[in-house]
Amino acid sequence: AQSVTQPDIHITVSEGASLELRCNYSYGATPYLFWYVQSPGQGLQLLLKYFSGDTLVQGIKGFEAEFKRSQSSFNLRKPSVHWSDAAEYFCAVVPIKAAGNKLTFGGGTRVLVKP
Amino acid sequence: ETGVTQSPTHLIKTRGQQVTLRCSSQSGHNTVSWYQQALGQGPQFIFQYYREEENGRGNFPPRFSGLQFPNYSSELNVNALELDDSALYLCASSLGAASPYEQYFGPGTRLTVT
Repeated sequence: AQSVTQPDIHITVSEGASLELRCNYSYGATPYLFWYVQSPGQGLQLLLKYFSGDTLVQGIKGFEAEFKRSQSSFNLRKPSVHWSDAAEYFCAVVPIKAAGNKLTFGGGTRVLVKP
Repeated sequence: ETGVTQSPTHLIKTRGQQVTLRCSSQSGHNTVSWYQQALGQGPQFIFQYYREEENGRGNFPPRFSGLQFPNYSSELNVNALELDDSALYLCASSLGAASPYEQYFGPGTRLTVT
């Protein structure tokens, strides 16, 4: 079955430390891939997206993600976390053969930042 | 440029009642999608409207219905509310309904059904 999986429900990281959030997908063909962030009480903000080309994608707020076809993964990274990065992060996909841009989301990873 | 707005922010309804949620799309956007986000879960696609026509629907019963108006704003209507309908309802707009078009999300409407 087609799915998007974020294996980590919660991650706690110290301020200034690096962060990596995992995302795996199960689709016949590589879908379009997205990472969104949701701060408490707010909607979703797009961090970055991958359609094709360079497998290392740069996004906003210092985030980057690496697409690995062999592992069906699209992991999100940040070299040095700030307290303001505490939020929930969602990986999402749009199947390439889908008619339209409707997103399918993973379950999310909540990031807590320790001072 | 005005972003996506939603109203109301919060809403409390009783089981069996009906509710209407509203969304104003970002300027120039002709496509609106609605998502339901239950507590602790990722958003789930409800349906999408493109130029006033429904353009795809997720796995939601017919008591979830919608409209899109000529100015591309949209409504989500839910009839016969159930306790499980308690969730954050997110609206997203985009320049078009095709894959490359990025969706911009509003802040959501928190619906509580008691």
